[in-house]
Amino acid sequence: RKEVEQDPGPFNVPEGATVAFNCTYSNSASQSFFWYRQDCRKEPKLLMSVYSSGNEDGRFTAQLNRASQYISLLIRDSKLSDSATYLCVVNGGFSGGYNKLIFGAGTRLAVHP
Amino acid sequence: EAQVTQNPRYLITVTGKKLTVTCSQNMNHEYMSWYRQDPGLGLRQIYYSMNVEVTDKGDVPEGYKVSRKEKRNFPLILESPSPNQTSLYFCASSFLGPENIQYFGAGTRLSVL
Repeated sequence: RKEVEQDPGPFNVPEGATVAFNCTYSNSASQSFFWYRQDCRKEPKLLMSVYSSGNEDGRFTAQLNRASQYISLLIRDSKLSDSATYLCVVNGGFSGGYNKLIFGAGTRLAVHP
Repeated sequence: EAQVTQNPRYLITVTGKKLTVTCSQNMNHEYMSWYRQDPGLGLRQIYYSMNVEVTDKGDVPEGYKVSRKEKRNFPLILESPSPNQTSLYFCASSFLGPENIQYFGAGTRLSVL
């Protein structure tokens, strides 16, 4: 079983749609959770951290369920510029001195006019 | 400007010819890491360093070496590259601690013929 699992997609949605991505992780010792965005052939960039209480940044909402070891990302009012691959990322617990990141393979989103 | 700089961005080489990919950061980060990204597998950690002269293996260290003689630099060395090391490589850095965000270089696309 992969340590971080995501639906690879692609999710093809029209502009203005709401889309949700899910992710599960296997290491119950993980302490930090993130969504990164990666454009084609470019470096991953932090989209948002994910907190236990849930957090929102504009059109983006992230949720964490520690009991189910499940993370989600909701994008409202999708824009063409949201087209990218979204990486679910968790830290590896004690492994790697708490800085080690475990990446999901990514979910590809394509927003069309 | 705060950044992680990798060089070269693109490299085509032949089996067995030693090469070095450089990585430099200007944010005074203690933690640096190398990842490789392959289709369907996500980013996998090769080596990491928690400070000068402190390095350790990640998940896929075979065929790679690193050094950390200065805080800002973390070169990746392939002593005898093989075709299975054809991949997209990213260097990343952060402060220590699980909450700290990792910043990535622009990537190095390596092809070993």
